[in-house]
Amino acid sequence: DTAVSQTPKYLVTQMGNDKSIKCEQNLGHDTMYWYKQDSKKFLKIMFSYNNKELIINETVPNRFSPKSPDKAHLNLHINSLELGDSAVYFCASSHLVHPSGNTIYFGEGSWLTVV
Amino acid sequence: DAKTTQPPSMDCAEGRAANLPCNHSTISGNEYVYWYRQIHSQGPQYIIHGLKNNETNEMASLIITEDRKSSTLILPHATLRDTAVYYCIVRENTNAGKSTFGDGTTLTVKP
Repeated sequence: DTAVSQTPKYLVTQMGNDKSIKCEQNLGHDTMYWYKQDSKKFLKIMFSYNNKELIINETVPNRFSPKSPDKAHLNLHINSLELGDSAVYFCASSHLVHPSGNTIYFGEGSWLTVV
Repeated sequence: DAKTTQPPSMDCAEGRAANLPCNHSTISGNEYVYWYRQIHSQGPQYIIHGLKNNETNEMASLIITEDRKSSTLILPHATLRDTAVYYCIVRENTNAGKSTFGDGTTLTVKP
């Protein structure tokens, strides 16, 4: 069973379009994240949700709107896509607090290309 | 979170031990040391973590110096499939994942 799954894996779209990436985790974690990895391979956190509540928003443009219908899902909606949004987006999850460390588990990534 | 410093790249012969260093001189007392790796075109994969003591699991060993200012990830018998970017991160147990993944070390295992 895939622990953190995200869809679609590949997405090619035109500038100005609106698109969504879905993420689901079956690990029973209470915290989920979205990370962005650009062409320079630098992995940077975008958002973090704990029990459906936003706890981290790393100065991401408001064209990016995460939505968490329940603690097992965190979807990423992007409005008015720009060329610079082309990147790999990783969903992840963890316990917020755990006595032996809150290890983060990542999905396989969604490759977004804006043309 | 404390910052970490890693060499940009390393080579290792297949079957030999790979020792990947990480400096984290500003680590605080409640920050853990985590290691992840990212194989090309895949999501980052958790390897191991520790607070003070050395740790070992089925994938690797983690050696943390007594002053906790540096650590070494050891892959005891590197295989070609261990070729990846290895990230060393320090973060608090209660931190909500705000840790920054730096540039990491690109490990190339050669036949």
